[in-house]
Amino acid sequence: EVQLVESGGGLVKPGGSLRLSCAASGFTFSSYSMNWVRQAPGKGLEWVSSISSSSSYIYYADSVKGRFTISRDNAKNSLYLQMNSLRAEDTAVYYCAREWVDYYDSSGYYYFDYWGQGTLVTVSS
Amino acid sequence: DIQMTQSPSSLSASVGDRVTITCRASQSISSYLNWYQQKPGKAPKLLIYAASSLQSGVPSRFSGSGSGTDFTLTISSLQPEDFATYYCQQSYSTPDSTFGPGTKVDIK
Repeated sequence: EVQLVESGGGLVKPGGSLRLSCAASGFTFSSYSMNWVRQAPGKGLEWVSSISSSSSYIYYADSVKGRFTISRDNAKNSLYLQMNSLRAEDTAVYYCAREWVDYYDSSGYYYFDYWGQGTLVTVSS
Repeated sequence: DIQMTQSPSSLSASVGDRVTITCRASQSISSYLNWYQQKPGKAPKLLIYAASSLQSGVPSRFSGSGSGTDFTLTISSLQPEDFATYYCQQSYSTPDSTFGPGTKVDIK
């Protein structure tokens, strides 16, 4: 059974830092790209960051670029998100999500097929 | 950036009703459109990918259609467990995918 379990959320002051972790099990973690998606309280979903299976390709949303760093340790089946210079608008539940792609008609169709339960990050003084 | 809109933002329906939710992209995204269901306090769950492909394990009362800029999620006969918020997501500009604002389906 595929499982993704986030941890590391909590209350932090503006300008502070936090490191989120996502422990994966039930699948070959090193074969999949992984993502972080967040959801502010009462709001919709926002893609945050993506990392390829071997960490060769890393992408960020403009809203977090230069402040957040995504990484992974395939030996530990773990995904991380280092969040620095946190702002009130970063307050959200952060989900890790496994990325899958189906190929047909010479096109790749990407989607998030498994999600963790989320960890809440609150940025407040 | 590709913007996604959904309509309606919320709807009230009864068990057994046929429900249709619309998602529109600000530019053509071919069939690069996914649908997720989210219940309160839970993670999103994939329902439909590539506009019309049903994810394994998802009941067949869920279906998706559309291409280009206009897409539809249909629930053929609403069940009690279907009351939730539904989000569309464009994957045309992966990895910079964007989600729609959501459509909340509640009990009439």
